[in-house]
Amino acid sequence: GQNIDQPTEMTATEGAIVQINCTYQTSGFNGLFWYQQHAGEAPTFLSYNVLDGLEEKGRFSSFLSRSKGYSYLLLKELQMKDSASYLCAIEEDYGQNFVFGPGTRLSVLP
Amino acid sequence: DSGVTQTPKHLITATGQRVTLRCSPRSGDLSVYWYQQSLDQGLQFLIQYYNGEERAKGNILERFSAQQFPDLHSELNLSSLELGDSALYFCASSVGSQGTNEQFFGPGTRLTVL
Repeated sequence: GQNIDQPTEMTATEGAIVQINCTYQTSGFNGLFWYQQHAGEAPTFLSYNVLDGLEEKGRFSSFLSRSKGYSYLLLKELQMKDSASYLCAIEEDYGQNFVFGPGTRLSVLP
Repeated sequence: DSGVTQTPKHLITATGQRVTLRCSPRSGDLSVYWYQQSLDQGLQFLIQYYNGEERAKGNILERFSAQQFPDLHSELNLSSLELGDSALYFCASSVGSQGTNEQFFGPGTRLTVL
C-alpha cells in the first residue's frame, strides 16, 4: 500500500527558515524525492534521499528516516520566489513505482 | 528550460476520442516517464520507458498506452477519452533507469475532454 501525508499549506516570512514534513507508508521503499512546482509550471527536482540522514544543497536540505517513514525539506533564507508547491514522492516497489504526495503550498510573505 | 519538449501544449477533444501526446527527452537521456496531474488526484506516475523498453508501470489505465521509439522520443496514446481524463500530462526524462537519476520535466500537455 502507499500513503503519503504532507501539510496542505504553510506560510512563512522572507528570510526565515521553514520545515516541510512528509510522512509515508510504503512497501519496497527505494528512495524519496522532493520537487518544487510553481503554479502552472512543471515540477523541478530538489533532492533525492535513499539513506538516513541529512542531504544539504545550498539553501535547501532534505532529511530522511526510513525506520520512521519520515522526511522533511528545510528551506533557509526564504525568498519570495520560494512560494510554490513542494511535492514529496516515494520510489517504491524497488523502483517499479513512483508515488507523489498531495503537495504543500508554501507562501512566502514580505 | 529543462530540455524536454512536449507537443502539443494544449489539446481539446470530445469524449470517446483518441489522442496522442508526444515527448522528446533531453539529449543523452535514455529514460522517459509519463505523469498525469489533475486537481483532485495530484501528480500520478503512469509509466516509464528505458532505452525503448517498458521499465516500470504505475496507475496507467488500460485505455492508455505508451511507447518509446528508437530515436528515444515517446508517445502516450489515450483512447476512449472520458471527462475525467482532463488533466495536465507531463513527460520527464533522466539519464539512467534508476531513481537516483534526476528527472527533468517537460512543460506538459493540457488535455481538455468535453
